[in-house]
Amino acid sequence: DVKVTQSSRYLVKRTGEKVFLECVQDMDHENMFWYRQDPGLGLRLIYFSYDVKMKEKGDIPEGYSVSREKKERFSLILESASTNQTSMYLCASSLGSGNEQYFGPGTRLTVT
Amino acid sequence: AQSVTQLDSHVSVSEGTPVLLRCNYSSSYSPSLFWYVQHPNKGLQLLLKYTSAATLVKGINGFEAEFKKSETSFHLTKPSAHMSDAAEYFCVVSDGVQGAQKLVFGQGTRLTINP
Repeated sequence: DVKVTQSSRYLVKRTGEKVFLECVQDMDHENMFWYRQDPGLGLRLIYFSYDVKMKEKGDIPEGYSVSREKKERFSLILESASTNQTSMYLCASSLGSGNEQYFGPGTRLTVT
Repeated sequence: AQSVTQLDSHVSVSEGTPVLLRCNYSSSYSPSLFWYVQHPNKGLQLLLKYTSAATLVKGINGFEAEFKKSETSFHLTKPSAHMSDAAEYFCVVSDGVQGAQKLVFGQGTRLTINP
């Protein structure tokens, strides 16, 4: 079974803090994704990566950056957290084009 | 650009009755379509996917969906609802871009099952 793990289930940070969200997958997938999920808006893509050290902006990249130094690990960085970044963050991975994405359990981030 | 519209934000049915969750999509070419389910406090799980093979797709837990190109629809159905089906359901279309293949999600439909 594919396993996608995220470093924290719940996180509380203060405005202005730098926040790291970590995601690890164990199936040697090329593609990895970061989404945020908000009520009534579904999932929105923040960033994705199709190879090590490669990254592409998704639909809402502002205020975020990412890092993929190793194939299995994809990090989401909030350089200076703001209250409007309070959300559920979901990481996913997929083997290649045309294949379904496998999701982690999510990190619920609260910025106060 | 691809887009997905889930026509109901909330559906409520009685246990043992049929389930219908409606989804329309917009795509400039032959899309791949998916339904995902999210149970409370859990990650998303793939229910089923359509990738230009049979138009009637069977998924897990008795769900199925029919791809209708003329109606640009991909509705999710189940003949008999079970209490464990209570969850949020997302209709998803792929953008077909080579490489990472981005997914575009609908807004979600919350399914409630009444005893």
